[in-house]
Amino acid sequence: SQQGEEDPQALSIQEGENATMNCSYKTSINNLQWYRQNSGRGLVHLILIRSNEREKHSGRLRVTLDTSKKSSSLLITASRAADTASYFCATDAGDYKLSFGAGTTVTVRA
Amino acid sequence: NAGVTQTPKFQVLKTGQSMTLQCAQDMNHEYMSWYRQDPGMGLRLIHYSVGAGITDQGEVPNGYNVSRSTTEDFPLRLLSAAPSQTSVYFCASSYWGSGANVLTFGAGSRLTVL
Repeated sequence: SQQGEEDPQALSIQEGENATMNCSYKTSINNLQWYRQNSGRGLVHLILIRSNEREKHSGRLRVTLDTSKKSSSLLITASRAADTASYFCATDAGDYKLSFGAGTTVTVRA
Repeated sequence: NAGVTQTPKFQVLKTGQSMTLQCAQDMNHEYMSWYRQDPGMGLRLIHYSVGAGITDQGEVPNGYNVSRSTTEDFPLRLLSAAPSQTSVYFCASSYWGSGANVLTFGAGSRLTVL
């Protein structure tokens, strides 16, 4: 069964606004990763946060991790049309089986 | 520098036919895996390999076989295709020595079973 679950399932925002999506998971992890998938393409790794980290930044991306609540959030600031994609969280329990959620579809309106 | 290459990109099969989805990577990654992606269900792990000669089952292995005779190649075989195997299949690899399983994905293979 899937480890991570993203919320919301879909998100529509205006260009320039921020987009926030959340991921909840069930068991202990070594790290949590976020991936992006553009329509009809493969997934691309965005950012990784380890279990002993609380926050991480990469460009316009900010990821938080709360291991006590078993949850993570991904914030995309100042969104652009090119950010239109599906975003997936993936949990790594150190057992070679990276487990993905069902994803959040983000639409950025011009 | 091709990364992860999957072939074919599209395939239509009839129920009961067999076929092999090919996956090759040129990054010398030890770890390779196959996922299937279905609407609303995210990606589910089918099989994975941590090195040549070593394979193991993921979440949904039934109906699929894999082998890993070289570091570069990790083919996925459908033994007797069923309509339930209609899906988009992704191959992914990673350099396990980085201490985290950060995957590089192929572009996907869309399979339809009639």
